[in-house]
Amino acid sequence: DAGVIQSPRHEVTEMGQEVTLRCKPISGHNSLFWYRQTMMRGLELLIYFNNNVPIDDSGMPEDRFSAKMPNASFSTLKIQPSEPRDSAVYFCASSTRQHTGELFFGEGSRLTVL
Amino acid sequence: GENVEQHPSTLSVQEGDSAVIKCTYSDSASNYFPWYKQELGKRPQLIIDIRSNVGEKKDQRIAVTLNKTAKHFSLHITETQPEDSAVYFCAAIADKLIFGTGTRLQVFP
Repeated sequence: DAGVIQSPRHEVTEMGQEVTLRCKPISGHNSLFWYRQTMMRGLELLIYFNNNVPIDDSGMPEDRFSAKMPNASFSTLKIQPSEPRDSAVYFCASSTRQHTGELFFGEGSRLTVL
Repeated sequence: GENVEQHPSTLSVQEGDSAVIKCTYSDSASNYFPWYKQELGKRPQLIIDIRSNVGEKKDQRIAVTLNKTAKHFSLHITETQPEDSAVYFCAAIADKLIFGTGTRLQVFP
């Protein structure tokens, strides 16, 4: 398996633009997580899905952020409109178990909002 | 919800010395405590984990201890090597996995 695949790896955009980050989890993994990493706040859990259903989105910063998982092999994290404070590395991770399994992270999407 | 505190934020050691990173958690229902290593510019990767029915676990030069009464757990790296240099994250899970703020470990040759 190729592991968790994220795209794009790097994104530079201007404030106000829409940003869509994509994730393909490892085949057979039924839990998917979106994390945001910054120097100031470390690794923050934004949202996670179990069997394509959003379980907890309490970490989503505000209504500008939304996430979907239309099927077991694809998820998106959308920011609209983007702001400079959204600049961070966004990691997607998948796991075979919702709570106590190893998280396999993608390589991350580095977002810069100017 | 769960809160995980991690100390120190940075740690510098000489090659061959030991390194210890400590974490505390708040939710007594937490039952799974993994440790992840993140090299510069790379993704976090699991290096060891421990479950609440175990007090200590060892894997070669790495060991983790858990004290459920005190709600703290620690990572011990012995005989450190330059390739151990990275950021280490502890985590705890009750209803969701929450990470500590990370410890930047530097091992000087």
